[in-house]
Amino acid sequence: QVHLVQSATEVKKPGASVKVSCKASGYNFSSHGITWVRQAPGQGLEWLGWISASNANRRSAQKFQGRVTMTTDTYTSTAYMELRGLRSDDTAMYYCARSKYPLRPFEYWGLGTQVTVSS
Amino acid sequence: EIVLTQSPGTLSLSPGERGTLSCRASQSVGSSYFAWYQQKPGQAPRLLIYSASSRATGVPDRFSGSGSGTDFTLTISRLEPEDFAVYYCQQYGTSLTFGGGTKVEVK
Repeated sequence: QVHLVQSATEVKKPGASVKVSCKASGYNFSSHGITWVRQAPGQGLEWLGWISASNANRRSAQKFQGRVTMTTDTYTSTAYMELRGLRSDDTAMYYCARSKYPLRPFEYWGLGTQVTVSS
Repeated sequence: EIVLTQSPGTLSLSPGERGTLSCRASQSVGSSYFAWYQQKPGQAPRLLIYSASSRATGVPDRFSGSGSGTDFTLTISRLEPEDFAVYYCQQYGTSLTFGGGTKVEVK
């Protein structure tokens, strides 16, 4: 079955960068894309963007353009999301989810990676 | 950006009761591009409904979705103990946005 295993908790200082990984298994990685969604403590869900695992096409939310980089490694079936210039309001749980196309609902999710930004 | 406003913020109900959750969009959303999720504490969201009214795999038929344009509804016909959670709506027709959530709690 489909599994998305995310990297461990990160604690970063303001201004730093964080890179979160999402390792996929149970399906043909190249036939789908990966979406990134975050959730601040006690808050709702926020879409960061999507990357195709076959041709690296990307689409990101306007809010994060220029600050987020999404990549994939088809050899290890792993997707990465790097967020730069971290601020305290970037503190959130970051989820990856499988998504064949950029704007779609998400049936398979990772368990999330907690990113805390604190001085 | 399409803003989704969910109401009520909290819904207090008893097991066995019917729950009706609403989501209003700031502009029209194609009915094919609307979804609902359930999230329990410490868990990732779970897809319940897509294309406004289609149930995702394994979702019980007590969950149903309806609506079009700017007004969408998730109905839980008879609440089971495991249904007490937070529910989010999502549109994916123009970029992708989520609503702020409705918490369904035990009365």
